[in-house]
Amino acid sequence: EAGVAQSPRYKIIEKRQSVAFWCNPISGHATLYWYQQILGQGPKLLIQFQNNGVVDDSQLPKDRFSAERLKGVDSTLKIQPAKLEDSAVYLCASSLPQGAYEQYFGPGTRLTVT
Amino acid sequence: AQSVTQLDSHVSVSEGTPVLLRCNYSSSYSPSLFWYVQHPNKGLQLLLKYTSAATLVKGINGFEAEFKKSETSFHLTKPSAHMSDAAEYFCVLGSARQLTFGSGTQLTVLP
Repeated sequence: EAGVAQSPRYKIIEKRQSVAFWCNPISGHATLYWYQQILGQGPKLLIQFQNNGVVDDSQLPKDRFSAERLKGVDSTLKIQPAKLEDSAVYLCASSLPQGAYEQYFGPGTRLTVT
Repeated sequence: AQSVTQLDSHVSVSEGTPVLLRCNYSSSYSPSLFWYVQHPNKGLQLLLKYTSAATLVKGINGFEAEFKKSETSFHLTKPSAHMSDAAEYFCVLGSARQLTFGSGTQLTVLP
Protein backbone atom coordinates (compact mmCIF):
# COMPACT_ATOMS: atom_id res chain seq x y z
CA GLU A 1 0.00 0.00 0.00
CA ALA A 2 1.43 3.36 -1.01
CA GLY A 3 1.79 5.87 1.79
CA VAL A 4 0.95 9.56 1.98
CA ALA A 5 2.95 11.47 -0.62
CA GLN A 6 4.10 15.06 -0.20
CA SER A 7 6.08 17.42 -2.37
CA PRO A 8 8.35 19.20 -2.37
CA ARG A 9 10.40 17.77 0.49
CA TYR A 10 12.32 20.99 1.02
CA LYS A 11 11.66 24.60 0.11
CA ILE A 12 13.57 27.81 0.80
CA ILE A 13 11.89 31.14 0.08
CA GLU A 14 12.29 34.75 1.08
CA LYS A 15 9.74 36.48 3.31
CA ARG A 16 6.78 37.93 1.49
CA GLN A 17 7.04 35.30 -1.26
CA SER A 18 4.38 32.66 -1.78
CA VAL A 19 4.72 28.89 -1.62
CA ALA A 20 2.50 25.85 -2.18
CA PHE A 21 2.68 22.31 -0.85
CA TRP A 22 1.01 19.26 -2.32
CA CYS A 23 -0.30 16.14 -0.63
CA ASN A 24 -1.72 12.90 -2.01
CA PRO A 25 -3.33 10.76 0.71
CA ILE A 26 -3.61 7.00 0.91
CA SER A 27 -6.16 5.70 -1.56
CA GLY A 28 -9.60 5.47 0.03
CA HIS A 29 -8.83 7.77 2.94
CA ALA A 30 -11.59 10.35 2.99
CA THR A 31 -10.12 12.46 5.78
CA LEU A 32 -7.05 14.61 5.19
CA TYR A 33 -5.14 16.78 7.65
CA TRP A 34 -2.48 19.47 7.39
CA TYR A 35 -0.23 20.04 10.40
CA GLN A 36 2.49 22.59 11.11
CA GLN A 37 5.47 21.37 13.16
CA ILE A 38 7.78 24.11 14.39
CA LEU A 39 11.23 22.98 15.49
CA GLY A 40 11.14 21.61 19.03
CA GLN A 41 7.35 21.36 19.14
CA GLY A 42 4.71 18.77 18.38
CA PRO A 43 2.61 19.02 15.24
CA LYS A 44 -0.29 21.46 15.37
CA LEU A 45 -3.40 20.88 13.29
CA LEU A 46 -4.02 23.58 10.69
CA ILE A 47 -6.96 22.19 8.76
CA GLN A 48 -8.99 19.00 8.43
CA PHE A 49 -10.93 17.92 5.34
CA GLN A 50 -13.61 15.27 5.02
CA ASN A 51 -13.73 14.46 1.31
CA ASN A 52 -13.66 17.95 -0.27
CA GLY A 53 -15.30 19.77 2.65
CA VAL A 54 -13.57 21.55 5.52
CA VAL A 55 -14.28 20.03 8.94
CA ASP A 56 -12.07 22.29 11.04
CA ASP A 57 -9.87 25.22 10.07
CA SER A 58 -9.98 27.06 13.39
CA GLN A 59 -6.19 27.16 13.72
CA LEU A 60 -5.44 28.13 10.13
CA PRO A 61 -4.12 31.73 9.83
CA LYS A 62 -6.57 32.62 7.11
CA ASP A 63 -5.01 35.98 6.32
CA ARG A 64 -2.08 34.20 4.71
CA PHE A 65 -2.78 30.46 4.61
CA SER A 66 -5.24 28.70 2.33
CA ALA A 67 -5.93 25.07 1.52
CA GLU A 68 -8.10 23.20 -0.90
CA ARG A 69 -9.08 19.66 -1.74
CA LEU A 70 -11.17 20.18 -4.83
CA LYS A 71 -11.84 16.60 -5.93
CA GLY A 72 -11.71 15.00 -2.49
CA VAL A 73 -8.37 13.34 -3.15
CA ASP A 74 -5.16 15.35 -3.23
CA SER A 75 -4.76 18.69 -1.49
CA THR A 76 -2.74 21.88 -1.72
CA LEU A 77 -1.70 24.17 1.14
CA LYS A 78 -0.59 27.68 0.21
CA ILE A 79 1.11 30.46 2.13
CA GLN A 80 0.97 33.97 0.71
CA PRO A 81 2.84 36.04 1.78
CA ALA A 82 5.24 34.01 3.91
CA LYS A 83 6.68 35.30 7.19
CA LEU A 84 9.82 34.24 9.01
CA GLU A 85 7.74 32.48 11.68
CA ASP A 86 6.25 30.19 9.01
CA SER A 87 9.52 28.26 8.92
CA ALA A 88 8.46 24.75 9.93
CA VAL A 89 7.76 21.27 8.65
CA TYR A 90 4.33 20.93 7.08
CA LEU A 91 2.89 17.48 7.53
CA CYS A 92 0.01 15.92 5.68
CA ALA A 93 -1.89 12.98 7.13
CA SER A 94 -4.88 10.92 6.11
CA SER A 95 -7.28 8.51 7.75
CA LEU A 96 -10.43 6.53 7.19
CA PRO A 97 -13.51 8.37 8.47
CA GLN A 98 -14.07 5.84 11.24
CA GLY A 99 -10.38 5.84 12.21
CA ALA A 100 -9.76 9.51 12.86
CA TYR A 101 -7.21 8.70 15.54
CA GLU A 102 -5.22 6.33 13.34
CA GLN A 103 -3.65 8.82 11.03
CA TYR A 104 -0.98 8.02 8.47
CA PHE A 105 1.58 10.75 7.97
CA GLY A 106 3.61 11.78 4.98
CA PRO A 107 7.32 12.65 5.24
CA GLY A 108 6.59 16.37 5.39
CA THR A 109 7.82 19.49 3.62
CA ARG A 110 10.52 21.46 5.40
CA LEU A 111 10.00 25.18 4.72
CA THR A 112 12.67 27.75 5.46
CA VAL A 113 11.72 31.42 5.16
CA THR A 114 14.69 33.79 5.03
CA ALA B 1 -9.45 21.49 28.20
CA GLN B 2 -7.55 18.65 26.60
CA SER B 3 -3.77 18.67 26.88
CA VAL B 4 -0.74 16.44 26.96
CA THR B 5 2.51 17.08 28.82
CA GLN B 6 5.70 15.19 28.09
CA LEU B 7 7.85 15.55 31.15
CA ASP B 8 11.26 15.15 29.51
CA SER B 9 12.39 16.87 26.33
CA HIS B 10 15.49 14.64 26.08
CA VAL B 11 16.22 11.15 27.41
CA SER B 12 19.54 9.32 27.01
CA VAL B 13 19.96 5.61 27.67
CA SER B 14 22.63 3.04 26.94
CA GLU B 15 21.90 0.27 24.49
CA GLY B 16 20.37 -2.71 26.28
CA THR B 17 19.03 -0.70 29.22
CA PRO B 18 15.35 0.12 29.88
CA VAL B 19 13.57 3.08 28.34
CA LEU B 20 11.01 5.23 30.15
CA LEU B 21 9.36 8.20 28.42
CA ARG B 22 6.88 10.03 30.62
CA CYS B 23 3.53 11.52 29.63
CA ASN B 24 0.71 13.11 31.63
CA TYR B 25 -2.62 14.09 30.18
CA SER B 26 -5.59 16.26 31.02
CA SER B 27 -8.99 15.40 29.61
CA SER B 28 -12.61 16.05 30.56
CA TYR B 29 -13.63 12.75 28.99
CA SER B 30 -12.33 9.21 28.87
CA PRO B 31 -9.27 9.76 26.73
CA SER B 32 -7.88 8.00 23.73
CA LEU B 33 -4.10 8.09 24.02
CA PHE B 34 -1.36 7.27 21.56
CA TRP B 35 2.36 7.25 21.16
CA TYR B 36 3.83 8.21 17.79
CA VAL B 37 7.48 7.95 16.78
CA GLN B 38 9.30 10.20 14.31
CA HIS B 39 12.62 9.11 12.84
CA PRO B 40 14.73 11.74 11.08
CA ASN B 41 13.41 12.59 7.64
CA LYS B 42 10.59 10.11 7.99
CA GLY B 43 6.88 10.47 8.64
CA LEU B 44 5.30 10.01 12.03
CA GLN B 45 4.42 6.39 12.78
CA LEU B 46 1.86 5.08 15.23
CA LEU B 47 3.61 3.09 17.95
CA LEU B 48 0.62 2.08 20.08
CA LYS B 49 -2.84 3.19 21.16
CA TYR B 50 -5.10 3.09 24.21
CA THR B 51 -8.84 3.33 23.61
CA SER B 52 -10.40 2.22 26.94
CA ALA B 53 -9.75 -1.49 26.62
CA ALA B 54 -6.79 -3.08 28.47
CA THR B 55 -4.76 -0.56 30.48
CA LEU B 56 -1.47 -2.15 29.46
CA VAL B 57 -1.01 -1.61 25.76
CA LYS B 58 1.59 -3.34 23.62
CA GLY B 59 2.93 -1.69 20.49
CA ILE B 60 5.45 -2.32 17.79
CA ASN B 61 9.17 -2.93 18.32
CA GLY B 62 8.76 -4.10 21.92
CA PHE B 63 7.30 -0.87 23.29
CA GLU B 64 4.41 -0.80 25.72
CA ALA B 65 2.51 1.80 27.71
CA GLU B 66 0.32 1.68 30.78
CA PHE B 67 -2.75 3.87 31.22
CA LYS B 68 -3.11 4.99 34.85
CA LYS B 69 -6.26 7.00 35.38
CA SER B 70 -5.49 7.81 39.02
CA GLU B 71 -2.18 9.38 37.98
CA THR B 72 -3.43 10.73 34.61
CA SER B 73 -0.35 9.17 33.06
CA PHE B 74 0.48 7.15 29.97
CA HIS B 75 4.20 6.40 30.18
CA LEU B 76 6.01 4.57 27.38
CA THR B 77 8.48 1.81 28.27
CA LYS B 78 10.76 -0.73 26.62
CA PRO B 79 12.79 -3.30 28.55
CA SER B 80 15.92 -3.04 26.42
CA ALA B 81 16.86 -0.15 24.15
CA HIS B 82 18.22 -0.70 20.66
CA MET B 83 20.23 1.76 18.60
CA SER B 84 17.38 1.90 16.08
CA ASP B 85 15.06 3.28 18.79
CA ALA B 86 16.80 6.66 18.63
CA ALA B 87 14.08 9.05 17.47
CA GLU B 88 11.57 11.61 18.69
CA TYR B 89 8.52 10.27 20.51
CA PHE B 90 5.20 12.06 20.84
CA CYS B 91 2.46 11.38 23.34
CA VAL B 92 -0.87 12.20 21.71
CA LEU B 93 -4.40 12.75 23.00
CA GLY B 94 -7.37 11.93 20.79
CA SER B 95 -10.48 14.02 21.30
CA ALA B 96 -13.34 15.20 19.07
CA ARG B 97 -11.86 13.14 16.25
CA GLN B 98 -8.62 15.14 16.35
CA LEU B 99 -5.16 14.58 17.74
CA THR B 100 -3.36 16.86 20.20
CA PHE B 101 0.38 16.28 20.30
CA GLY B 102 2.76 16.73 23.20
CA SER B 103 5.98 18.64 22.65
CA GLY B 104 8.00 15.47 22.11
CA THR B 105 10.84 13.57 23.80
CA GLN B 106 14.09 13.06 21.93
CA LEU B 107 15.49 9.62 22.75
CA THR B 108 19.22 9.11 22.36
CA VAL B 109 20.65 5.58 22.59
CA LEU B 110 24.32 5.39 23.48
CA PRO B 111 26.47 2.45 22.37
